[in-house]
Order: sequence, then structure tokens, then C-alpha cells
Amino acid sequence: DGGITQSPKYLFRKEGQNVTLSCEQNLNHDAMYWYRQDPGQGLRLIYYSQIVNDFQKGDIAEGYSVSREKKESFPLTVTSAQKNPTAFYLCASRGGRANTGELFFGEGSRLTVL
Amino acid sequence: QQQVKQSPQSLIVQKGGIPIINCAYENTAFDYFPWYQQFPGKGPALLIAIRPDVSEKKEGRFTISFNKSAKQFSLHIMDSQPGDSATYFCAARMKGTSYGKLTFGQGTILTVHP
Repeated sequence: DGGITQSPKYLFRKEGQNVTLSCEQNLNHDAMYWYRQDPGQGLRLIYYSQIVNDFQKGDIAEGYSVSREKKESFPLTVTSAQKNPTAFYLCASRGGRANTGELFFGEGSRLTVL
Repeated sequence: QQQVKQSPQSLIVQKGGIPIINCAYENTAFDYFPWYQQFPGKGPALLIAIRPDVSEKKEGRFTISFNKSAKQFSLHIMDSQPGDSATYFCAARMKGTSYGKLTFGQGTILTVHP
């Protein structure tokens, strides 16, 4: 079945460590996005990529990095510079022939910094 | 000016009731307003979306009402069911930007009692 696969589902990290969250899609979508979800704050955009080898900062990019070497993959690295990294991270993609604007989300990765 | 304010934070109704969730925005450059539904432990999924040239849009039991002059829009769920219990997010897109580059409201946790 087509969709977005995020891994790992749960991740624990010690302070000072970098961690990379995986996002893979088989929807043949051009655009991919990373959002962060915190209780009572909705979703906030971290980075997005509209095409391979190109990406832009979102509203809260500080302390994060991404790459887009393949159309199917958009990994997010949470660096030690991110001051408050404990959150639920959601990857999404958009595109296709219909291109209605709909975002397709994965099931998320919950990161906890100990 | 880029905020979308959503209310209430939580809402409890009986089965068959009509919960209403409200969103307000300031920036008149927003031109696409989707609603996303999220079940616990899952990623959000698009429910319904509207553009500002339309005052109302219905899809099944879900209706968006849009008041352009007041810069407000709301989601109504007719004949609500326990299966509608979820978190609902309104969002908005700035004209000329990627359709996936959304500003989300804070979310409303809806509980429908049997």
C-alpha cells in the first residue's frame, strides 16, 4: 500500500546527542515536509522540500537539519543545538496528478530527551 | 499576523450533537483553509478544505462555514458519533506559497459520548 513510513516510532536520546528520524514515501510525491507537534501548540513547520536536492527552512528550523538526496526519502536530524527537542515529529508529503493540496502524514516519531 | 487561533481547546458532546470548532485569522493573504483530523497515535488526515471565495462547503456530516469579512471559519459536525472523537486542527496557507506550508491552529480535542 502507498503511504508515508516514519521510523523509529519511539526514540530516547541523551542530552548532547544528535538523532536522525527517517521518513520514506512511496506515493511518488515531489514535496515533503517535517512538522513538530507539541501539546496545545498545533503543528509547526520545521523544513520542507519541493524537489530532490532542494529544501527550505520552515518556521522553527533552528537546531534541525535535513537532506533530500532521493525523491522517496527526507530524513530529519535533531541536533544537540535544539534546545527543547522532546516532541512528536510528523513527516508529510504532497503531490501527484491531482495535486489538490492535501498533505499525507506518516504516523509520527516520538522523541524523548532524557 | 501569521497566527491561526482555534477554540475551544476541548469539547465534549453527546452522540447526535453538533460540535462546532472555530478558527480566526488576521492575515488576509491566507487563501486556503483545510481541516485535519487526528486520532491518538496517528498522523493527521485531511477532512475538508475551503477557499475564501466560498461561504460554505459540505462533505458528508462535516461542514465548513467561512466568513471572509470577519476572518473566521468554523467546522460543524452533524449527528456526531463516538468514532468522531479525535483532535481537530484548522490550518491556513499563505497565497503563493507551497500548499503544504501551513499555519495550524492549536487543536481541539473532541469527545463524543455514546
